[in-house]
Amino acid sequence: GENVEQHPSTLSVQEGDSAVIKCTYSDSASNYFPWYKQELGKGPQLIIDIRSNVGEKKDQRIAVTLNKTAKHFSLHITETQPEDSAVYFCAASITGNQFYFGTGTSLTVIP
Amino acid sequence: NAGVTQTPKFQVLKTGQSMTLQCAQDMNHEYMSWYRQDPGMGLRLIHYSVGAGITDQGEVPNGYNVSRSTTEDFPLRLLSAAPSQTSVYFCASRPNLGQGVYEQYFGPGTRLTVT
Repeated sequence: GENVEQHPSTLSVQEGDSAVIKCTYSDSASNYFPWYKQELGKGPQLIIDIRSNVGEKKDQRIAVTLNKTAKHFSLHITETQPEDSAVYFCAASITGNQFYFGTGTSLTVIP
Repeated sequence: NAGVTQTPKFQVLKTGQSMTLQCAQDMNHEYMSWYRQDPGMGLRLIHYSVGAGITDQGEVPNGYNVSRSTTEDFPLRLLSAAPSQTSVYFCASRPNLGQGVYEQYFGPGTRLTVT
């Protein structure tokens, strides 16, 4: 099956700085790559996603880039705010039915 | 809409006991799924369903049973609980893929401890 690796496991940034989280995947057939944000005691919530026919997608301060050749994708958060502090998960899917998640990145934004 | 609801929020079981984790959604989503979340391991898919009467195994199905008799409900059954099943369980749903939407909506989770 698919294997998704995520780095770093923890990340601390100063408020206003940028944060970058990277994921790699093993199955070249994967074609959908979502990113989820999980706050303490809650379920994950989708923040942005990208399909394999697109190289980059932006939504305000959040962007995702995809490099199909290298089989990696990244989450970029600019102008970080304390409310961005959470655990972030990447995932990959081939069929849209089975999703394989990374191990998560705990992001702390220091005021 | 209540979205995806899960009950109970917390549960403690003894080894060998059985129980059912409940999951319901009111968004008329065809697809529903169950994940477990363990420290340092992210979320792992247990079982999923693409519609009433249709279920399939995910990455870690052993020790768990599911059935889907209605669109709204997707219960997860532990027949004989083991300490290795101590985890946080999340249910999720999403619309039919034919609608072009892949976004999954997660419930608040059930924290299960097996002693």
